Amino acid sequence: DAGVIQSPRHEVTEMGQEVTLRCKPISGHDYLFWYRQTMMRGLELLIYFNNNVPIDDSGMPEDRFSAKMPNASFSTLKIQPSEPRDSAVYFCASTPRGIDGYTFGSGTRLTVV
Amino acid sequence: AQSVTQLDSQVPVFEEAPVELRCNYSSSVSVYLFWYVQYPNQGLQLLLKYLSGSTLVESINGFEAEFNKSQTSFHLRKPSVHISDTAEYFCAVSDDNQGGKLIFGQGTELSVKP
Repeated sequence: DAGVIQSPRHEVTEMGQEVTLRCKPISGHDYLFWYRQTMMRGLELLIYFNNNVPIDDSGMPEDRFSAKMPNASFSTLKIQPSEPRDSAVYFCASTPRGIDGYTFGSGTRLTVV
Repeated sequence: AQSVTQLDSQVPVFEEAPVELRCNYSSSVSVYLFWYVQYPNQGLQLLLKYLSGSTLVESINGFEAEFNKSQTSFHLRKPSVHISDTAEYFCAVSDDNQGGKLIFGQGTELSVKP
């Protein structure tokens, strides 16, 4: 298995632009999570899905952020419009069950200038 | 609400020395506990986990952690570290045996020096 695949690995964009991050979970994993990692705030859970349905989006910072999972093999996290404070590494993770532990992708390093 | 506190943000240690990375949690229900490791420019990898049963759990690369319910702790230890163990280590807790979300600590940067 190729693991959790995220794209792009790096993204540099200008303030105000739309950014879309992509994630392909491991086949058969019913749960998908989006995390954000910064030096100041550590790892923050943004949103998670079960069987393509959003379960908890309480961590999404504001309306500029949105996430979708149109099918079991693909999810997107969109920021519109982007701001410099959105600069972070965004991780996607998947699991068949929480107690099995998550498999993380390699992350997308987003820089908003 | 659950929370996780990693008591040390940085732990420098010499090669072949023992190390302990401390983790305390708070939860009102039964918990599942995890340690993850993150090498530079990579995602997190599961190191070990406690679900139930024996309170001492081990990883394949020599780390071990002990669940202590009375002290609400899950400290990570290794009797002899290698340069290659240099990484950031995250403790995490979940109270949901299904897909439940993990709450992560702030991380401990382990730096192994020759």
